[in-house]
Amino acid sequence: GAVVSQHPSRVICKSGTSVKIECRSLDFQATTMFWYRQFPKKSLMLMATSNEGSKATYEQGVEKDKFLINHASLTLSTLTVTSAHPEDSSFYICSAHNREPGNTIYFGEGSWLTVV
Amino acid sequence: RKEVEQDPGPFNVPEGATVAFNCTYSNSASQSFFWYRQDCRKEPKLLMSVYSSGNEDGRFTAQLNRASQYISLLIRDSKLSDSATYLCVVGGSQGNLIFGKGTKLSVKP
Repeated sequence: GAVVSQHPSRVICKSGTSVKIECRSLDFQATTMFWYRQFPKKSLMLMATSNEGSKATYEQGVEKDKFLINHASLTLSTLTVTSAHPEDSSFYICSAHNREPGNTIYFGEGSWLTVV
Repeated sequence: RKEVEQDPGPFNVPEGATVAFNCTYSNSASQSFFWYRQDCRKEPKLLMSVYSSGNEDGRFTAQLNRASQYISLLIRDSKLSDSATYLCVVGGSQGNLIFGKGTKLSVKP
C-alpha cells in the first residue's frame, strides 16, 4: 500500500544550527503535502501546506523564514528548521494526500527534534 | 471556540468495558470526519472515517450528528491494546486535517 516515509525519525541539534526533515511519498505522487507540529500533551497543529512547484502556504503564526519548505518534486517535500532554538523542540510530522484512489491522507512516521 | 474540542480524559477503564468519546467541531461547513489513534510518541493512524449514517467496524462504532456538530466513538469490549490517545479529526477546506487534542484511554487488566 501507499507509504509516506519521513526522515530522520530523531535528531538532536545545537541551538543556532539548521535541521532538514524529509517527507517522501513512496508509491504515489503527492501534489500537496502537509507539515504538522505537536508539542507535548498538545494537539497536532498544521504549520504549512506544501505545494509541488509553488510556494508553501503557512498558517498564521508560523514564520516562513524560519521553517523553510521545499516541494521540488511530486514525491518529496522538505522542512528545514533554521537557526533552531530549544523552543523548536517538538514532534514534526508530514502527511501526503493521495487523491487516487479514495482521496486518502497518509502520515509519515514523524520526526522528533530536540534542540540543545 | 476551538475548531475541534474533545474531553482530554484520561479515561481509565477495566478490560471488557464499553467507553464512549465525544467531540464537537465549530465549522458547520466541514465535510469529512475521522477518528485517529495515536500511540505514545508515534504518528497518528486512521481508525475510521465517520459518516452521517453512522458506521461500525468490529468493536468500534462512530456517529456523526451534523445538526449538533458532534462526533462520537464507542468502543465495546475494550482490550488492553486499545490503550492510546484517540484523536477527533475534521477535514479542512484545503485537504488538511484539523485535530482535536485527543482523549487518552487507559485500559487496565
